[in-house]
Amino acid sequence: DTAVSQTPKYLVTQMGNDKSIKCEQNLGHDTMYWYKQDSKKFLKIMFSYNNKELIINETVPNRFSPKSPDKAHLNLHINSLELGDSAVYFCASSQDPLSRTTDGYTFGSGTRLTVV
Amino acid sequence: KNQVEQSPQSLIILEGKNCTLQCNYTVSPFSNLRWYKQDTGRGPVSLTIMTFSENTKSNGRYTATLDADTKQSSLHITASQLSDSASYICVVGVNYGGSQGNLIFGKGTKLSVKP
Repeated sequence: DTAVSQTPKYLVTQMGNDKSIKCEQNLGHDTMYWYKQDSKKFLKIMFSYNNKELIINETVPNRFSPKSPDKAHLNLHINSLELGDSAVYFCASSQDPLSRTTDGYTFGSGTRLTVV
Repeated sequence: KNQVEQSPQSLIILEGKNCTLQCNYTVSPFSNLRWYKQDTGRGPVSLTIMTFSENTKSNGRYTATLDADTKQSSLHITASQLSDSASYICVVGVNYGGSQGNLIFGKGTKLSVKP
């Protein structure tokens, strides 16, 4: 019974393609996030949504567009994929935005994106 | 600039031995510090979280310490097991007030426990 689930787990695609990664949480959390973990293993926040509203939008190319149809889902769409987009993308959720700095922060298993 | 530095980058120990991982941070305004364990191919899982006023917290064989004055934290693993092989990530929370905040992640220490 996965709390934060992402699909697909692996994604290999060619440069220039458009792809989406889906995320769903069944924890009843209000806030969801997308993180990118590059080859150096740094986890960096990309976006955060609270109750379907965008609250964090870090310096990310506008080829990346998050979409939250409801508070249990936060999908990530990437246009015109580039080699540098290859990384592991993690979805996460928390009870509310302040949980980011306190507790209740649950990560998904990640989506390994490889752009060739 | 908010930064979290961890050492060592990697560590190999024998099963049953103890080890200590280090985390130094320059983060302001500090909210809390947490240690995560990330198994290969999995998302990070929280081990401990400490606020400014706490200087030690345990979770089974994991004990984290925090020195807010020197801005250092350590994670001590006792009687290591093969399943402890993972990356351990130090994460510092920044709270700007209201609903604004962020988490600053270290690069992690990759621990390998050998039989």
